[in-house]
Amino acid sequence: AQSVTQLDSQVPVFEEAPVELRCNYSSSVSVYLFWYVQYPNQGLQLLLKYLSGSTLVKGINGFEAEFNKSQTSFHLRKPSVHISDTAEYFCAVSDLNNDMRFGAGTRLTVKP
Amino acid sequence: GAGVSQTPSNKVTEKGKYVELRCDPISGHTALYWYRQSLGQGPEFLIYFQGTGAADDSGLPNDRFFAVRPEGSVSTLKIQRTERGDSAVYLCASSLVARQGSGAFFGQGTRLTVV
Repeated sequence: AQSVTQLDSQVPVFEEAPVELRCNYSSSVSVYLFWYVQYPNQGLQLLLKYLSGSTLVKGINGFEAEFNKSQTSFHLRKPSVHISDTAEYFCAVSDLNNDMRFGAGTRLTVKP
Repeated sequence: GAGVSQTPSNKVTEKGKYVELRCDPISGHTALYWYRQSLGQGPEFLIYFQGTGAADDSGLPNDRFFAVRPEGSVSTLKIQRTERGDSAVYLCASSLVARQGSGAFFGQGTRLTVV
């Protein structure tokens, strides 16, 4: 089955700074890629997804991610973060049958 | 319903007891997933249903865990002889298989505490 590695367990950053959360996947078949966000004491929400086409996808709250097939990566970026972006971010991969697996998560902490 | 509903939201049980966790997926969603999330960890895959059948149950940790979805809608995760290590938030999600890559929609989870 497909799997995901999130390279950073914690990312501290100052408000208004840019951020990149790294994600690498492995799979022997074609996949779809996702980023989910989990705010404190809340459920998982879909931020963005890559299905096909343009490798740069834009999501909610100003986030975007770039699919790189040769590097099997799907890194999440935001040019300027806010305090309210503090949350846990999960990268996920699914096969064409929607069988979905998640990474261990990256805790983004935005400091004033 | 409007979203994925999980009941109960919290469950405290004694070691060795049997528990059932229920998931009501979004109406019309044929795919249903169970994950387990421990503190500070990502969702750990348990089982994936397409319709009534388990398409992939490779994530169930041992034979104390079992899940059913008899009519292709509501699903129940059953844990026998609970152990303290089973304490976690159990997440259910659903998706529309006919729409490949639609992503999964999650419930709020059931927090299971085994004492």
